[in-house]
Amino acid sequence: EVQLVESGGGLVQPGGSLRLSCAASGFTFSDHYMDWVRQAPGKGLEWVGRTRNKANSYTTEYAASVKGRFTISRDDSKNSLYLQMNSLKTEDTAVYYCARVPAGYDFWSGYTDYWGQGTLVTVSS
Amino acid sequence: VIWMTQSPSLLSASTGDRVTISCRMSQGISSYLAWYQQKPGKAPELLIYAASTLQSGVPSRFSGSGSGTDFTLTISCLQSEDFATYYCQQYYSFPPAFGQGTKVEIK
Repeated sequence: EVQLVESGGGLVQPGGSLRLSCAASGFTFSDHYMDWVRQAPGKGLEWVGRTRNKANSYTTEYAASVKGRFTISRDDSKNSLYLQMNSLKTEDTAVYYCARVPAGYDFWSGYTDYWGQGTLVTVSS
Repeated sequence: VIWMTQSPSLLSASTGDRVTISCRMSQGISSYLAWYQQKPGKAPELLIYAASTLQSGVPSRFSGSGSGTDFTLTISCLQSEDFATYYCQQYYSFPPAFGQGTKVEIK
């Protein structure tokens, strides 16, 4: 059974930093690209970023709203995905989901087939 | 940038109804469209990809159609567990983007 479990959310002040983790199980993590997607309270879904796997040099792409502040990384030996968030703003307050791109899809044109339960990040003074 | 218009934003329906949700693109995306269902406090779940392919385990009352710019999600006979919010997502153009969502509520 595919499982994705996020952790690391919490309350942080504007300008602060936070690192989210996503533990994957039930599939061969290294075969898949992975996404982070967020959802502000009462709002819709916003794609945050995507990372390739080791075979494709772990390269990443980000939404314009987070580029330069957020960094996605992964450790395929630990089946884990990370999101380092720096210079946080109040508008970054959201539930953050990690999600899997099906194996074999092109990096530039893949959807997501499994999602974690999410972790809430609140940016407030 | 591809602009997406998902409609309606709110749909009131009764159990047993046939409901349709529309997702329209500002330019053609072939069949690079997915549909997700989200229940309150839960993560989104994939229903359909490639515009019309049902994800494994999804009930057959859900179906998707369309290509190019106009897409539709149809629930043929609404069940109580289907009251939720539905999102379309285009993955033809990077970055992938979601529609605004359609909340299906009990009439």
